Amino acid sequence: GENVEQHPSTLSVQEGDSAVIKCTYSDSASNYFPWYKQELGKRPQLIIDIRSNVGEKKDQRIAVTLNKTAKHFSLHITETQPEDSAVYFCAASTPNSGNTPLVFGKGTRLSVIA
Amino acid sequence: DTEVTQTPKHLVMGMTNKKSLKCEQHMGHRAMYWYKQKAKKPPELMFVYSYEKLSINESVPSRFSPECPNSSLLNLHLHALQPEDSALYLCASGAGPLSAEQYFGPGTRLTVT
Repeated sequence: GENVEQHPSTLSVQEGDSAVIKCTYSDSASNYFPWYKQELGKRPQLIIDIRSNVGEKKDQRIAVTLNKTAKHFSLHITETQPEDSAVYFCAASTPNSGNTPLVFGKGTRLSVIA
Repeated sequence: DTEVTQTPKHLVMGMTNKKSLKCEQHMGHRAMYWYKQKAKKPPELMFVYSYEKLSINESVPSRFSPECPNSSLLNLHLHALQPEDSALYLCASGAGPLSAEQYFGPGTRLTVT
């Protein structure tokens, strides 16, 4: 089955700096890669996603890149703010009878220091 | 309505109790999911319903029993749980086979005493 590795497990950055979180996946059939942000005590929130027919996607300060050949994808956050502090999970989805279950990475705890 | 709702928010139950968790969505989604999340871990898939039929059961113990009464509702019936079952239980919904996006509810924090 699919296996998703996520690095780093913790990341501290100064406010205004950029943060990059990287994930690799094992199943070349995976075609959907979302990123979730989870603040303490709250639900995982879908913040951006990318499909395998696209190499990069951007939404304001957040961008995701995908390298299908190397089977890795990354989340980039620019001009970080204290409210970006949270746990970020990457995930990959492999078609399976149309139910597309997500396989999650172990998460990255991002701390933005004011 | 673009939300997935869950009740209750918190639940404390003894090992001999029977309780149910409820999830509701009104986005017309045809896939609904139950996840279990322990502290500092990613969500762990338990069950998937697609078009109101159970399509994935990730080897979950029988003390957890899912039910999908209609396309908007998803229940998780709990019986004879163990303390190690204490966790955040998350429901999610997705548009179905042609769409992989999943949207999570706020979760039920379950404590088994």
